[in-house]
Amino acid sequence: GENVEQHPSTLSVQEGDSAVIKCTYSDSASNYFPWYKQELGKRPQLIIDIRSNVGEKKDQRIAVTLNKTAKHFSLHITETQPEDSAVYFCAASLSYGQNFVFGPGTRLSVLP
Amino acid sequence: DGGITQSPKYLFRKEGQNVTLSCEQNLNHDAMYWYRQDPGQGLRLIYYSQIVNDFQKGDIAEGYSVSREKKESFPLTVTSAQKNPTAFYLCASSTFIGTNEKLFFGSGTQLSVL
Repeated sequence: GENVEQHPSTLSVQEGDSAVIKCTYSDSASNYFPWYKQELGKRPQLIIDIRSNVGEKKDQRIAVTLNKTAKHFSLHITETQPEDSAVYFCAASLSYGQNFVFGPGTRLSVLP
Repeated sequence: DGGITQSPKYLFRKEGQNVTLSCEQNLNHDAMYWYRQDPGQGLRLIYYSQIVNDFQKGDIAEGYSVSREKKESFPLTVTSAQKNPTAFYLCASSTFIGTNEKLFFGSGTQLSVL
């Protein structure tokens, strides 16, 4: 089955700097890769996603890149702000309601 | 925070007791999922259901049971066979329509053992 690894497990950056979180997956059939943000005590919420037919996607300060050949994808946050502090989870799945497999999460701390 | 509702927010289980966590969604989603989250760890899949009256085991189904009698509801029972039930439980749903597979999460239930 699918296995998703995520690095680093913790990340501290200064406010205004960029943050990068990387995930690798094992099943080449996976074709949907979402990223979720979970603030302390709250539910995970989708922040960005990418499909296997796209190499990069941007939404304001957040971007995700996908390398299908290497089976890895990354989350990039630019101009980080204190409210970006949270745990970020990557996931991989096949299409149409198949099982989502999550990475173990990255705790991002943005220091003022 | 409408859409997918979990209850209760906090639940305590006595040894040998079965407890049931509720999950209801009004999003008309076909698929529903239960995840377990332990401190400092990712989300691990317990069970998922793609249609009514059908469900599949996830990675850590032992000690848990589910039912899917209605499209809107996917309750999770933590049985006495689950020896380490203390965790944060998240229910989620998604739709098959088009290519929109986004997961919507409930606000979670924190289960603790007395």
